[in-house]
Amino acid sequence: EDQVTQSPEALRLQEGESSSLNCSYTVSGLRGLFWYRQDPGKGPEFLFTLYSAGEEKEKERLKATLTKKESFLHITAPKPEDSATYLCAVWSGSNTGKLIFGQGTTLQVKP
Amino acid sequence: SAVISQKPSRDICQRGTSLTIQCQVDSQVTMMFWYRQQPGQSLTLIATANQGSEATYESGFVIDKFPISRPNLTFSTLTVSNMSPEDSSIYLCSVRTGGNEKLFFGSGTQLSVL
Repeated sequence: EDQVTQSPEALRLQEGESSSLNCSYTVSGLRGLFWYRQDPGKGPEFLFTLYSAGEEKEKERLKATLTKKESFLHITAPKPEDSATYLCAVWSGSNTGKLIFGQGTTLQVKP
Repeated sequence: SAVISQKPSRDICQRGTSLTIQCQVDSQVTMMFWYRQQPGQSLTLIATANQGSEATYESGFVIDKFPISRPNLTFSTLTVSNMSPEDSSIYLCSVRTGGNEKLFFGSGTQLSVL
């Protein structure tokens, strides 16, 4: 069964304190791994898609990396506006194309 | 990308009643998806709605409880029927564009059932 686990559940950082969020997955043939950002009361906002191990993508202070078993979302010198819940999702070859989401990591960045 | 308008944005409903949520997309899309996000939980797919065919429901979700309409390529509705407090969740509409699995989401409907 496809499974996605994110850690930690919650993370508190001081502004400028870099860290990483983890997404571990077990799927039958990974076709894509997705990162989303979700602000309270809003729908998830697409950040990145990673397709193969070794792939990396960057956007402002965020950098996503992928291995055969996990993905990391690195946040460099975060700002308070980076505070949100970050969701990881996988698309595998074993289903009809639906995404399986992790529980999310809620990030709080204090000034 | 796609711009997705979802309404209502929030509602408070009485037990036993039904609520229909609307999802409008600014471009034609083949597949539309309805997700549920219960408090403190991640997103769970309810069903996939393809235009011109019956919606496909995930395990644990049935058509009598969550009927879906998909009259054209830009619009869909999800009805939450005979509501109970356990139905209190955020309901999200999403669409797939560009031939890949990138999903775009609406802003969601926050439903509270008393």
